[in-house]
Amino acid sequence: AAGVIQSPRHLIKEKRETATLKCYPIPRHDTVYWYQQGPGQDPQFLISFYEKMQSDKGSIPDRFSAQQFSDYHSELNMSSLELGDSALYFCASSTGTGSYGYTFGSGTRLTVV
Amino acid sequence: AQSVTQPDIHITVSEGASLELRCNYSYGATPYLFWYVQSPGQGLQLLLKYFSGDTLVQGIKGFEAEFKRSQSSFNLRKPSVHWSDAAEYFCAVGAPTGGGNKLTFGTGTQLKVEL
Repeated sequence: AAGVIQSPRHLIKEKRETATLKCYPIPRHDTVYWYQQGPGQDPQFLISFYEKMQSDKGSIPDRFSAQQFSDYHSELNMSSLELGDSALYFCASSTGTGSYGYTFGSGTRLTVV
Repeated sequence: AQSVTQPDIHITVSEGASLELRCNYSYGATPYLFWYVQSPGQGLQLLLKYFSGDTLVQGIKGFEAEFKRSQSSFNLRKPSVHWSDAAEYFCAVGAPTGGGNKLTFGTGTQLKVEL
């Protein structure tokens, strides 16, 4: 069965650089969520999109932005990277209400040096 | 706002022993509840979920969880633990927001299995 695809799997950036993470949801899933998991931490909700519109916003820094495109894939853009942005970034997708449970991607491990 | 508490940071059990991981939630309405498992450096795998109906939910890998509204709990259980169950377990609560539900996770319970 198709899963949530995230790219790249690993990314190394220097401080103050920009990074773009991509997420391709399961076909026919119209909702995408982004989570950040720091080392030894629980996943923290960043932002979500439903039908290409932002549906909720969590603890996402102003340096980050995201959008969902017409094919439902989503991109998380991160600028002026800081060492503290090093984390595992998960994307998840679901149908509108999420009642079928989320499916998470394998994550993108971002390391800022 | 919803919240989740997993009171046990680390748990060690012997292989073949029974397991119970505790989860308490706070939410003003009927919650959606989930248990996820994460191996080191890996993604989050859904073990089971509860939305409504039967309060005892069966999941994958022999796990089950029981929703107890009176105790605001959703504890995860397994009658006989296998060494491959060693991982981190996250309880999560879902709340409606717009067209979807964001998840709030607990801080996780690290399970170690002794052979």
